[in-house]
Amino acid sequence: AQSVTQLGSHVSVSEGALVLLRCNYSSSVPPYLFWYVQYPNQGLQLLLKYTSAATLVKGINGFEAEFKKSETSFHLTKPSAHMSDAAEYFCAVSRMDSSYKLIFGSGTRLLVRP
Amino acid sequence: EAGVAQSPRYKIIEKRQSVAFWCNPISGHATLYWYQQILGQGPKLLIQFQNNGVVDDSQLPKDRFSAERLKGVDSTLKIQPAKLEDSAVYLCASSLDLDPRMNTEAFFGQGTRLTVV
Repeated sequence: AQSVTQLGSHVSVSEGALVLLRCNYSSSVPPYLFWYVQYPNQGLQLLLKYTSAATLVKGINGFEAEFKKSETSFHLTKPSAHMSDAAEYFCAVSRMDSSYKLIFGSGTRLLVRP
Repeated sequence: EAGVAQSPRYKIIEKRQSVAFWCNPISGHATLYWYQQILGQGPKLLIQFQNNGVVDDSQLPKDRFSAERLKGVDSTLKIQPAKLEDSAVYLCASSLDLDPRMNTEAFFGQGTRLTVV
């Protein structure tokens, strides 16, 4: 069975500091991996996805993530946090079958201090 | 382009009552998803349609939840009877295609927040 684990339910950074949100996956076959962002009272928005092309994936709003098979990780980073980045972030893995069902982690809430 | 539309935005019902949610996906999107997001958790897929056929409903509590997508366009999700543990945000999403390699993504609606008292 596939699953994702997000380490840290809350992460707090200062404005301008590096953002690092951790995600580890479990999969018996190479997975597809995703990061979504959810702002208060909004639906989820795709930040970036890995579908077995380049291991370093660049997304919207300056975010990027690197697929590391040896570490079964897909951590999300941004060099410099903005106040507008404060939101909840979800890592997800897709099942490699006919449904490509998305399985989400429990989420990490990013707080940005002025 | 218009996004995924959901209604109502909020609903409060008593336990054992019934409730229905409506979703209108982005025009032309063949795949439609209903997710349940309980407070403090990630979204959990309840049911996935491809056009008007069900692709995955393995986590849908079929004794009380039902969903349909007539004519392969909009969809309704029903709960009857509701339990306290059904309190959650119900998210609808749609995508052009199932396969992430087809360079499509799932677009999410704002959700319906259900409170069962």
